[in-house]
Amino acid sequence: AQTVTQSQPEMSVQEAETVTLSCTYDTSESDYYLFWYKQPPSRQMILVIRQEAYKQQNATENRFSVNFQKAAKSFSLKISDSQLGDAAMYFCAYRTPFGNEKLTFGTGTRLTIIP
Amino acid sequence: DSGVTQTPKHLITATGQRVTLRCSPRSGDLSVYWYQQSLDQGLQFLIQYYNGEERAKGNILERFSAQQFPDLHSELNLSSLELGDSALYFCASSVGDLPSYNEQFFGPGTRLTVL
Repeated sequence: AQTVTQSQPEMSVQEAETVTLSCTYDTSESDYYLFWYKQPPSRQMILVIRQEAYKQQNATENRFSVNFQKAAKSFSLKISDSQLGDAAMYFCAYRTPFGNEKLTFGTGTRLTIIP
Repeated sequence: DSGVTQTPKHLITATGQRVTLRCSPRSGDLSVYWYQQSLDQGLQFLIQYYNGEERAKGNILERFSAQQFPDLHSELNLSSLELGDSALYFCASSVGDLPSYNEQFFGPGTRLTVL
């Protein structure tokens, strides 16, 4: 079974600085998707960024980028120029492209932005 | 706004009772997923329906059941409720055409409190 591990329950960063959230996963599959979801205090789940395992290039969405290390099964999220609105729980998630489409989530990292 | 609607937003009930949570997917989406977010279990997949048929099952208790209707809305039925069933229940929807990637769009969730 696939597992997703987020070893940082809480992180904090000064506004305008850069922060990196860690995620590791375990799978025997060679093809899969990885995601970072943001859950602000409103509880809405918002997709931040997606990475396909077959792509070597790291995904980037504006201030959000990932460092995908397939051999190490590591998938970290870098947030640049942190803003107050980035304060949220961040969940790393895994999904296979075939068969069961369920998302497997990590336990989350609570990110605090210090003004 | 993801386009996925869930009702009710909040539900407070007593142990032993039965409740029904409702989800309307985005227009055009054929797949509906149910997830449970609790303090104990984190975010976990319960069940998926595709165009009225059950497609995948996760850690869903036997006291829980779901269905997807011809108009594609879905209901999650929780019976013989226990204190531990208190959680945020999310519905997500996607187009659902395998094997291509289909983003899951999350609804705002239903907060269930069992007293």
